[in-house]
Formats: sequence, structure tokens, C-alpha cells
Amino acid sequence: RKEVEQDPGPFNVPEGATVAFNCTYSNSASQSFFWYRQDCRKEPKLLMSVYSSGNEDGRFTAQLNRASQYISLLIRDSKLSDSATYLCVVNMAVRGGTSYGKLTFGQGTILTVHP
Amino acid sequence: DADVTQTPRNRITKTGKRIMLECSQTKGHDRMYWYRQDPGLGLRLIYYSFDVKDINKGEISDGYSVSRQAQAKFSLSLESAIPNQTALYFCATSDRDSYEQYFGPGTRLTVT
Repeated sequence: RKEVEQDPGPFNVPEGATVAFNCTYSNSASQSFFWYRQDCRKEPKLLMSVYSSGNEDGRFTAQLNRASQYISLLIRDSKLSDSATYLCVVNMAVRGGTSYGKLTFGQGTILTVHP
Repeated sequence: DADVTQTPRNRITKTGKRIMLECSQTKGHDRMYWYRQDPGLGLRLIYYSFDVKDINKGEISDGYSVSRQAQAKFSLSLESAIPNQTALYFCATSDRDSYEQYFGPGTRLTVT
């Protein structure tokens, strides 16, 4: 079983739609969770961290369910510029541990927003 | 100017050749990483370094070696390239107190 699993998609949605991505992780000791965005042939960039209580950044909402080992990303009012690959990322280390800072990436979910 | 740079950006090489990919950063971060990305497999960690004297293998280090020449420089070498090392390679950095990693623009390597 992969440590971080995502539905690869592709998701093809019209502008203005709401779309949700899911991600599961296998290691219950995982400590920190993130969503990164990667444009075609570009480097990944941090989109947002995911906090236990859930968090929102404009049109983006991230949720974490530790009991089910499940992370989600919701995008409301999709824009053409949201077209990208979204990477679910997990850090399994505790602060101060020797592997602190190592991230495990899911394979990514492709989103295409069309006019 | 970019904070994390990689050279070369594209490289085509033949099986058996030695090749070095270089990464430099101006962010002042202690931690540096090398990943490869393959379609359908996501990013996989090859090596990481938490400071100049601390270098560790990642999940797919076989066939690769690294050198941390200075805080700002981290090189990845393929001693004898093989076709299944054809991939997009990314260097990344992070500060010791943050999980956020900053990636370079990537090197597209093709081994024929």
C-alpha cells in the first residue's frame, strides 16, 4: 500500500464549479499535512497546510480526519487558473526527530477547469 | 533571481555515462533534498541533507550519490546512468523550523 494515496483524476470541471480532492495516508504516526500545487512542467509550490480543526484560505478549504487517516481539499468557484496538479503531502516525523522535515508526496490529482 | 537554481535544466546522456546535477540556493536554508518525479509515481526522495555534515539516503538512493559542498550547494550524481533513471529531478530546500519546502525549477534528464 502506498504511504500517501490520491485519486489521480483527471477532474475536468467548468468555471465556477466546486471540486473536492481526497487523500489517504497509511502511517497513523503522521504529524503534518499539506497540499502542494504543481503547474505543468513546473516545480511544486505549497498551497496550504492542513490543520486538525480544518482551515480555509479564500476559495480553498482543507480538512483532516485523523481517525480515518484522510485529508481533503475543496475548491469553490473554480477559476481557469486553478488548472494544475494537486499534491497531497505528509510529514511523518515529530519535531526534533532525525527525519523531521522529510515529506512524502502523493502521486497528485490533475484538475482542468474549462470555460 | 530564483532562490533555488538547478543546472542543467535539460540533459540527454547515454547509458553508462557519469552525470552530475547541481543545485544552489540563496535562501540560507540548512536542509536540502533531491527528488525524482515520474508519471504516475509522484515525487520520490533520493537523498536529503539536514546540514553540511549530515547526509541521508531517501527511499530510492540506489544508483545515485550526493555531495553537500557547502550550505548553499547540493549535487546529485549518477555514476553510470541507465535508461530507467530518465525522469524529472527536483532539488528542494527547507528551513530547520519549517515544513515548507522550496523547489528548484527541475532538471529533465533523458538517458538513452
